[in-house]
Amino acid sequence: QKEVEQDPGPLSVPEGAIVSLNCTYSNSAFQYFMWYRQYSRKGPELLMYTYSSGNKEDGRFTAQVDKSSKYISLFIRDSQPSDSATYLCAMTWGGDMRFGAGTRLTVKP
Amino acid sequence: ETGVTQSPTHLIKTRGQQVTLRCSSQSGHNTVSWYQQALGQGPQFIFQYYREEENGRGNFPPRFSGLQFPNYSSELNVNALELDDSALYLCASGEDSGANVLTFGAGSRLTVL
Repeated sequence: QKEVEQDPGPLSVPEGAIVSLNCTYSNSAFQYFMWYRQYSRKGPELLMYTYSSGNKEDGRFTAQVDKSSKYISLFIRDSQPSDSATYLCAMTWGGDMRFGAGTRLTVKP
Repeated sequence: ETGVTQSPTHLIKTRGQQVTLRCSSQSGHNTVSWYQQALGQGPQFIFQYYREEENGRGNFPPRFSGLQFPNYSSELNVNALELDDSALYLCASGEDSGANVLTFGAGSRLTVL
């Protein structure tokens, strides 16, 4: 079993849809949870950063962390074609960072 | 200068050769980490340097080695290249040794034939 599991997709949605991306993990030591966006031929770009459990909102993006279930989510409201990218969940306990495999999202106009 | 820059962008090597990849970290960031990202996979942690000392290593063999220099630059060296080393190599910098917020470069794509 991988330490961080993420459905690779691909996921295709129409413009304006609400997108839900998820990861599960097995290591209860993880305290910091991140979502990165990676466009083709680019490095990952930090989208959201959350410490411990709870919700965090930033514009059209909402990150949720449920440590009791070892489950994290990223919601994208009013999705745009420019949101088309691979979304990587990442987590750490303060040491090295562990990534999911990434979910490839396409938002169609 | 802001951001993380990596060179070269692409390179092709043959099995058994050696390669050096370079990274220029964001100014003021004392930590640099290197990741390997195979096609369709998430980045895998190779190692981390803090103030020119290695302070963490992932599950990679000793033929993967690195250096960090005082001027915020660093190198990843891979000896005796294998076909499975073909991947995107990402450099990321952070402010301190326990940095949870990393700034990534665009990566160096290595192809081993």
